[in-house]
Amino acid sequence: NAGVMQNPRHLVRRRGQEARLRCSPMKGHSHVYWYRQLPEEGLKFMVYLQKENIIDESGMPKERFSAEFPKEGPSILRIQQVVRGDSAAYFCASSLDAISTEAFFGQGTRLTVV
Amino acid sequence: GDSVTQMEGPVTLSEEAFLTINCTYTATGYPSLFWYVQYPGEGLQLLLKATKADDKGSNKGFEATYRKETTSFHLEKGSVQVSDSAVYFCALKPPTWAGNNRKLIWGLGTSLAVNP
Repeated sequence: NAGVMQNPRHLVRRRGQEARLRCSPMKGHSHVYWYRQLPEEGLKFMVYLQKENIIDESGMPKERFSAEFPKEGPSILRIQQVVRGDSAAYFCASSLDAISTEAFFGQGTRLTVV
Repeated sequence: GDSVTQMEGPVTLSEEAFLTINCTYTATGYPSLFWYVQYPGEGLQLLLKATKADDKGSNKGFEATYRKETTSFHLEKGSVQVSDSAVYFCALKPPTWAGNNRKLIWGLGTSLAVNP
């Protein structure tokens, strides 16, 4: 049973380009969370999604960032017109349901904006 | 709001030394508490957890006890190894009845380096 799969592991984008980060949750999990880890900082919650629904996006920047979790396929975190400050590690986690105490993390995508 | 405070690193120890990484929290009610570990270049792995007061989580020689009276969840290991070198994160998840139960709240992480 594969764990949470994120790809790519490393992504380099020039300023102004778009970044797409993918997350496939564990089998049977329908709840996905995205977190961002800035250099020398802890993790910050960005968004929580269930299949086809955004449940909580209180941690998402209001502009340029969007997330989706379609009925079929992985969850996508999309960053438009990237800036150097977007350089960070982005982690995805999945859980079985909303009340599960444990979330399982992927290995993260390290985005570098040059 | 809810928050987690960890001792600042980096922590540098010799092999076989005793490890304590302090973690205290602020939360309403009884959150679930976690320690995650991030090895160099890797993602986050759950190390241990405790879901109610006085519970002790343990794994790979690490232990942490959920102390409601001191709102703490300190991580300990009696004898560290070089392979324990990593960043350790303390986190909490609010109780089920809380409106914001859906996300983990994290400490800033404590870097541990163990020298041979």
